Amino acid sequence: DTGVSQNPRHKITKRGQNVTFRCDPISEHNRLYWYRQTLGQGPEFLTYFQNEAQLEKSRLLSDRFSAERPKGSFSTLEIQRTEQGDSAMYLCASSVRQGTETQYFGPGTRLLVL
Amino acid sequence: SQQGEEDPQALSIQEGENATMNCSYKTSINNLQWYRQNSGRGLVHLILIRSNEREKHSGRLRVTLDTSKKSSSLLITASRAADTASYFCATNPDSWGKLQFGAGTQVVVTP
Repeated sequence: DTGVSQNPRHKITKRGQNVTFRCDPISEHNRLYWYRQTLGQGPEFLTYFQNEAQLEKSRLLSDRFSAERPKGSFSTLEIQRTEQGDSAMYLCASSVRQGTETQYFGPGTRLLVL
Repeated sequence: SQQGEEDPQALSIQEGENATMNCSYKTSINNLQWYRQNSGRGLVHLILIRSNEREKHSGRLRVTLDTSKKSSSLLITASRAADTASYFCATNPDSWGKLQFGAGTQVVVTP
């Protein structure tokens, strides 16, 4: 059990560029979550998957954001036409089964949009 | 929007002292969880308490839950410098698993 991994750990990009982050959950965890955290705040829910199905997407998420989990294993989060307001830490978490189970978080990807 | 609010926002104590932080939330919950985050790192799960539980212990941690007041507290006993971190409560309001976090309590433990 190697834990949740995220790549890259840091990303600096210019406004208007597209970026893609990857999350590898703990093996056999069928639920995968994406959160965003800005400085001094707690994480905010973005979206989650059960296996390959995207079951919920936050209303805070603009249409510039898209997430996939094509084979029910790793997931990618893409941000198109990045804006300075997208600068944040993007956290991925996974869990087994549903609802009440503990979520295990990865180290996060810190995005800076210049 | 964030579900929970932690109090205090910041806490500074010396090694060996106890640290207590509180969390209030707005809607009914399935469970409440506490996480720790070291500066710039990911979150580490500390403890989960279900809505039908009132108190739970894990090592030096003690969590209480009062659903009538929609509040929880986290007590860290005999604190250590390594406990320096931000602590977040997170509620799980429904069966779908997404967590709603508060803004956190920043704890500094000085040797």
